[in-house]
Amino acid sequence: ETGVTQSPTHLIKTRGQQVTLRCSSQSGHNTVSWYQQALGQGPQFIFQYYREEENGRGNFPPRFSGLQFPNYSSELNVNALELDDSALYLCASSQGADWRYGYTFGSGTRLTVV
Amino acid sequence: AQRVTQPEKLLSVFKGAPVELKCNYSYSGSPELFWYVQYSRQRLQLLLRHISRESIKGFTADLNKGETSFHLKKPFAQEEDSAMYYCALSGNNFNKFYFGSGTKLNVKP
Repeated sequence: ETGVTQSPTHLIKTRGQQVTLRCSSQSGHNTVSWYQQALGQGPQFIFQYYREEENGRGNFPPRFSGLQFPNYSSELNVNALELDDSALYLCASSQGADWRYGYTFGSGTRLTVV
Repeated sequence: AQRVTQPEKLLSVFKGAPVELKCNYSYSGSPELFWYVQYSRQRLQLLLRHISRESIKGFTADLNKGETSFHLKKPFAQEEDSAMYYCALSGNNFNKFYFGSGTKLNVKP
């Protein structure tokens, strides 16, 4: 399936460590959002990037940060990992800042913090 | 505070029966509402958008601003409709999104 690719698919980290998750969007998708989905919960909005700048943020602390690159790839960085950061992290991209264009989700990265 | 509530974690119906998945929201401005679906072992995908006034796979959803609801309906459920359904809300600048906790729909033969 084409569209949004996330890596790695699974990751185990130790509390206090830092982690970088990666997302590759399809060509032309200049908007990317990241979500945290805990077990049994809906996705929680972390932040959104449009043309390499953050243009929206949910209720997540500053240790959650991101980058978006000109080649339609992006990163989610989490510093000082806590046990509660264990979750599925989803990336979604769309063609513009207006989500009426529709957007595509990746299959996620499962992060486990021990 | 912005919030999306899906009161039912699980909804089981028989094939051919009508389906209504409930979604209520709290938002201080003019929201845009969406329904997403996740079939088994597949990615989350957009089902329909309020702004498009569309019907997808027989599903429709009407925004009721008075009741702050956006319930998803289908007159005759099919087994292939079994999936996890999420209601989502965005402000009209589309730079923040809020998802509900989801309802698992199980359509029995």
